[in-house]
Amino acid sequence: DAGVIQSPRHEVTEMGQEVTLRCKPISGHDYLFWYRQTMMRGLELLIYFNNNVPIDDSGMPEDRFSAKMPNASFSTLKIQPSEPRDSAVYFCASSLSGGSNEQYFGPGTRLTVT
Amino acid sequence: AQKITQTQPGMFVQEKEAVTLDCTYDTSDPSYGLFWYKQPSSGEMIFLIYQGSYDQQNATEGRYSLNFQKARKSANLVISASQLGDSAMYFCAMRGDIFGNEKLTFGTGTRLTIIP
Repeated sequence: DAGVIQSPRHEVTEMGQEVTLRCKPISGHDYLFWYRQTMMRGLELLIYFNNNVPIDDSGMPEDRFSAKMPNASFSTLKIQPSEPRDSAVYFCASSLSGGSNEQYFGPGTRLTVT
Repeated sequence: AQKITQTQPGMFVQEKEAVTLDCTYDTSDPSYGLFWYKQPSSGEMIFLIYQGSYDQQNATEGRYSLNFQKARKSANLVISASQLGDSAMYFCAMRGDIFGNEKLTFGTGTRLTIIP
């Protein structure tokens, strides 16, 4: 399997622009997670889905952030409008449910908002 | 609420020595799982080892082992015979084994540097 795929790997945008991050989970995994990593706040869970349905979005910072999972093989995280404080590495991860099943992380998208 | 504490921001260890990375946790869940991930400078998150709270034995995976002390709420990662490639950030994480809950709570990490 190719693992979790994220695109783009790097994104540089200007404040106020819309940013869309994309993720393809591992085939057969029923959970998908979006994380944000910064030096100040560490690794934070933003939202996660089970069978394409959002389960917990309590980590989404504010209304500027939205996430969708239209089917089992694709998810997006959108920021509109973007702000400099959104600069971070955004990880997508997927897993099977429960027990010892670990989350498999994608390579991340490094977002820089100027 | 769950909390993971990693008190060692950074560690320097001589190559070939064993190293212990500390992790303590707090949870009210009766059943839970503990995970360790490695993040090298390239940025990817790599799963290392898992320990279930009701597992009778400490988990081992190659050179990695987990020193699980449930009464002390600690789950320290032990790396034997350290190698230069072990230099990375290491994160401890936990998940409560409640049906439908897949949320991982991560610690702040420990940066391990292996010295030749």
